[in-house]
Amino acid sequence: DQQVKQNSPSLSVQEGRISILNCDYTNSMFDYFLWYKKYPAEGPTFLISISSIKDKNEDGRFTVFLNKSAKHLSLHIVPSQPGDSAVYFCAASYIGGNDYKLSFGAGTTVTVRA
Amino acid sequence: DTGVSQNPRHKITKRGQNVTFRCDPISEHNRLYWYRQTLGQGPEFLTYFQNEAQLEKSRLLSDRFSAERPKGSFSTLEIQRTEQGDSAMYLCASSQTSGRTDTQYFGPGTRLTVL
Repeated sequence: DQQVKQNSPSLSVQEGRISILNCDYTNSMFDYFLWYKKYPAEGPTFLISISSIKDKNEDGRFTVFLNKSAKHLSLHIVPSQPGDSAVYFCAASYIGGNDYKLSFGAGTTVTVRA
Repeated sequence: DTGVSQNPRHKITKRGQNVTFRCDPISEHNRLYWYRQTLGQGPEFLTYFQNEAQLEKSRLLSDRFSAERPKGSFSTLEIQRTEQGDSAMYLCASSQTSGRTDTQYFGPGTRLTVL
């Protein structure tokens, strides 16, 4: 069963504007969440993460928000740049239960228009 | 250390042949993971090692698949009697838990094509 879902397969945004990517999860035991970026024919590159004890984490242009009650997280990219065009994956694990494997969503393809 | 490396990057084989992939993790990381990714999907967990011990295997890992990490450093993933359904990107990742975080860093992957 798909425990992590990204319901938007694609997103198109103009350069300089905000990109908002969404992710929902069903397993309430998940306590660590990550976003990865992937270019074709390459492995996923780690972007940013958040532990369940926080509701926001920021790193440069990237901010991740976590809403535990809604089992929802989002990634904000501001401002969007052409190099941000890639597939973005949301992932989750249960570190508190020593369950380190990641469950991934199906990904959202972001296209940044000039 | 420049990150996780995987070899080969591409492998084309005929159905029924055996293939072996290698992964070299980030040197100080004690956990090593294998995932498989097919087109349009996110990576799916196959198995993971903590040091040399294989601690978990997914039900996706049929008896044709075997993984080893003999000295707790590099790992190999072997697929015996390959089938066309094995065609996928095989990804390796490594991590080291720190407090409440355990960030996995991925290698470039091995693209397997079974003809």
